[in-house]
Amino acid sequence: KQEVTQIPAALSVPEGENLVLNCSFTDSAIYNLQWFRQDPGKGLTSLLLIQSSQREQTSGRLNASLDKSSGRSTLYIAASQPGDSATYLCAVITDKLIFGTGTRLQVFP
Amino acid sequence: DADVTQTPRNRITKTGKRIMLECSQTKGHDRMYWYRQDPGLGLRLIYYSFDVKDINKGEISDGYSVSRQAQAKFSLSLESAIPNQTALYFCATSAGTGGAMGYTFGSGTRLTVV
Repeated sequence: KQEVTQIPAALSVPEGENLVLNCSFTDSAIYNLQWFRQDPGKGLTSLLLIQSSQREQTSGRLNASLDKSSGRSTLYIAASQPGDSATYLCAVITDKLIFGTGTRLQVFP
Repeated sequence: DADVTQTPRNRITKTGKRIMLECSQTKGHDRMYWYRQDPGLGLRLIYYSFDVKDINKGEISDGYSVSRQAQAKFSLSLESAIPNQTALYFCATSAGTGGAMGYTFGSGTRLTVV
């Protein structure tokens, strides 16, 4: 059974720091991996989709990498801002989407 | 307009009542999903459908049923609601095998069963 783990579970940092959020999965037989952001009580916003043939994707201050062989993905956030405060979810894609438990990020001014 | 629309956005219902949550999409995706989210438990898959004639149970299907009325519409029913079905419910869509274009989620329905 595929299990997806995210570390840390929570993170509180001052504005301006560069951050790394970690995601690990137990079965490397995935198609793709997707990172989402969720604000409290709100829906999921897709941040980055990494296809299995890719090793990384970038969007603005966000960069996500994927190493299927080691079962790991990282989300790098450069120059964090208070508006980045949210829960970040990674999800591996097999024939369906399997979520990690998330990292709750707080960026304070 | 949103690509994936869920109705209602919020609902309070009584124990034992039947309730239907609706989802419609304009993405043209063939695959649709229902998830529920509970604090501390993350998102769990309830049901999924790969096309109009295909319905599959997810990891927590007991107490729920679904109907795929058309490619664009996928509804979730609680036949007799109970308080532990209080949660945030999400509908999602994807295209083809492996979600090569990623998954798109609706804004969610917050359901409270009293």
